Amino acid sequence: KNEVEQSPQNLTAQEGEFITINCSYSVGISALHWLQQHPGGGIVSLFMLSSGKKKHGRLIATINIQEKHSSLHITASHPRDSAVYICAGLSPGSARQLTFGSGTQLTVLP
Amino acid sequence: DSGVTQTPKHLITATGQRVTLRCSPRSGDLSVYWYQQSLDQGLQFLIQYYNGEERAKGNILERFSAQQFPDLHSELNLSSLELGDSALYFCASSVGVAGVADTQYFGPGTRLTVL
Repeated sequence: KNEVEQSPQNLTAQEGEFITINCSYSVGISALHWLQQHPGGGIVSLFMLSSGKKKHGRLIATINIQEKHSSLHITASHPRDSAVYICAGLSPGSARQLTFGSGTQLTVLP
Repeated sequence: DSGVTQTPKHLITATGQRVTLRCSPRSGDLSVYWYQQSLDQGLQFLIQYYNGEERAKGNILERFSAQQFPDLHSELNLSSLELGDSALYFCASSVGVAGVADTQYFGPGTRLTVL
């Protein structure tokens, strides 16, 4: 069993739909990182959060540390949002390393 | 553009060979991280350097080594290459030592193909 699990693995939506991607982790983490990987392979950091909620444009990330769960929401989705979304847990303590989920492939159709 | 540069973009080599991947962090960032992304294993953390010193080690094979130089650029050396080493290798940088407020900025990656 992976320490960081994402669902769904694949998601197809129509333009304008509200999208939710979930991330659960089984180990203690100090923070959770959401990343976006474009079709060309480039990775962009979207959010790093340790509690509560963060918003950037149409993207919202939430985390519940007690329940070991985080969600990434995309409002008013657009075809340019099509990408792989990856969550990663940052380990606590001095050896701070990211453990990655397997990613969610999002396709938004026009 | 994240400000992190990686060279080369693509590398094709043969089994048993040795290659060096190079990463230049964003201006002002002291930490450099190396990650491997393969089709079967996904993204995996390899190693982190902070201001020239090794800070954390992940799933890095003994055939792989890295260093960070005084000008803060980093190199990842992969030797005795095997077919399974074919992957995308990403470098990322951050200001500090991956604290909770420390966003990591990713480079464009080096695609390594071992034939």
